[in-house]
Amino acid sequence: QVQLQESGPGLVEPSETLSLTCAVSGYSISSGYYWGWTRQPPGKGLEWIGSIHQSGSTYYNPSLKSRVTISVDTSKNQFSLKLSSVTAADTAVYYCARSVGGEPKRFDPWGQGTLVTVSS
Amino acid sequence: QSVLTQPPSVSGAPGQRVTISCTGSSSNIGAGYDVHWYQQLPGTAPKLLIYGNSNRPSGVPDRFSGSKSGTSASLAITGLQAEDEADYYCQSYDSSLSGSVFGGGTRLTVL
Repeated sequence: QVQLQESGPGLVEPSETLSLTCAVSGYSISSGYYWGWTRQPPGKGLEWIGSIHQSGSTYYNPSLKSRVTISVDTSKNQFSLKLSSVTAADTAVYYCARSVGGEPKRFDPWGQGTLVTVSS
Repeated sequence: QSVLTQPPSVSGAPGQRVTISCTGSSSNIGAGYDVHWYQQLPGTAPKLLIYGNSNRPSGVPDRFSGSKSGTSASLAITGLQAEDEADYYCQSYDSSLSGSVFGGGTRLTVL
């Protein structure tokens, strides 16, 4: 059974870089699939951030592309998110998930999510 | 403003049937891209409910069904139960944005 677990600082200062990691268990990332990040501001809807293939190929939400970097570490069976120059608008619960199938790739399963607050 | 439009809320009594719409455009649903649906129970992560317009993952009751026509998709829930009270999101792909897009979400209240 595939399981995902997000980790990282819960508080980030404005203008700094948000860094999160998603540890995958029950499946080897190097075996395939895309792996993605989605976020949900408090009380609001879901926003896809970007996805990465085990080969390292990435694609990002155009609205965030200039600030986002997603990378994969197959040796640790995890993938990571970096979001630079954060503001209060980036405060959200960040979820990682496996992306399956052709476009639109469905997200299944999801991690439990981690709340990141941007504040000084 | 979400690329895919959902009603903010729907409600129904136990045992009733409700539907949730997801309206897109010619660059996403209307272009032939599939729609997936997610259920988000209070305080939890979203869970895949319907994929590929009308397919249910293992373990999802057949009370949940999905359909797609033209630039819209719908999620139907029959035999409403209190445990169905949750937020529901549709997802598709938009060729103009070259990425996944979600609807704004619909809160289902079981009266």
